[in-house]
Amino acid sequence: GENVEQHPSTLSVQEGDSAVIKCTYSDSASNYFPWYKQELGKRPQLIIDIRSNVGEKKDQRIAVTLNKTAKHFSLHITETQPEDSAVYFCAASTDYKLSFGAGTTVTVRA
Amino acid sequence: DTEVTQTPKHLVMGMTNKKSLKCEQHMGHRAMYWYKQKAKKPPELMFVYSYEKLSINESVPSRFSPECPNSSLLNLHLHALQPEDSALYLCASSPGTANLGYGYTFGSGTRLTVV
Repeated sequence: GENVEQHPSTLSVQEGDSAVIKCTYSDSASNYFPWYKQELGKRPQLIIDIRSNVGEKKDQRIAVTLNKTAKHFSLHITETQPEDSAVYFCAASTDYKLSFGAGTTVTVRA
Repeated sequence: DTEVTQTPKHLVMGMTNKKSLKCEQHMGHRAMYWYKQKAKKPPELMFVYSYEKLSINESVPSRFSPECPNSSLLNLHLHALQPEDSALYLCASSPGTANLGYGYTFGSGTRLTVV
C-alpha cells in the first residue's frame, strides 16, 4: 500500500517567516495530494490540494508543489501568523483511501 | 448543505456500555468513512461504505460495528470498549470511492472517552 513520510515532525518559526513541510509517497499511482490543517480538538480542514497533472498551486499565503518523478510534494506558508499554529497533515490518494503523513506541529512565535 | 454532521460531540462511556455514534450528510455522497484519531496523530481509516455496502474493513476489532441504514446516514455501534479506544472518531463522505479529490468532507468528530 501507499506509504507517506512527512518531515519535519515539529517546526517553530518566527512570525512573518516562511514555513516549509515536505512529504514523500511511495505509490506512483497516487493522483491526489491534499494538505490538512488541524487545530486542537477540531476536524482536519482542507487548506490546499493538488492533482497529479499539476506541478504547483498557490492560494494567497499557501502554496503546494509536486514533483511526480521524485514522488514528493511540499507545503509552503509565507508570512506566517500566530493563527497558522496547528498540526498539518499531508496525504496521498489512490482509489478509496487517503494515506496520511505523520503530521507536523507548527508553532509560530510572536 | 455541504456539511457532514456527527453526534454526539462528546461521549463518555464505561467499558460495559453500549453506545452509538451517528454521522449524517445530505450532499448525495455515495461513499462514507469512519476514522479513528489519537491526539497529534493522523486519522486512521476504519471502515469504508460504498453505496450503503461495507466495502473496506481495515481489520477493526469486532467491538466496533458499523451500519449504514441509508445513503445519508452512517452509524458506529460501540460495545465493550477499552480505555485505549478513547479517541476522536471522524466521519467523512465523498461522492464516490474513486477520485477522492472531489468533495471529500470530514465531519467535526465525536470525542470518545472510555472509562
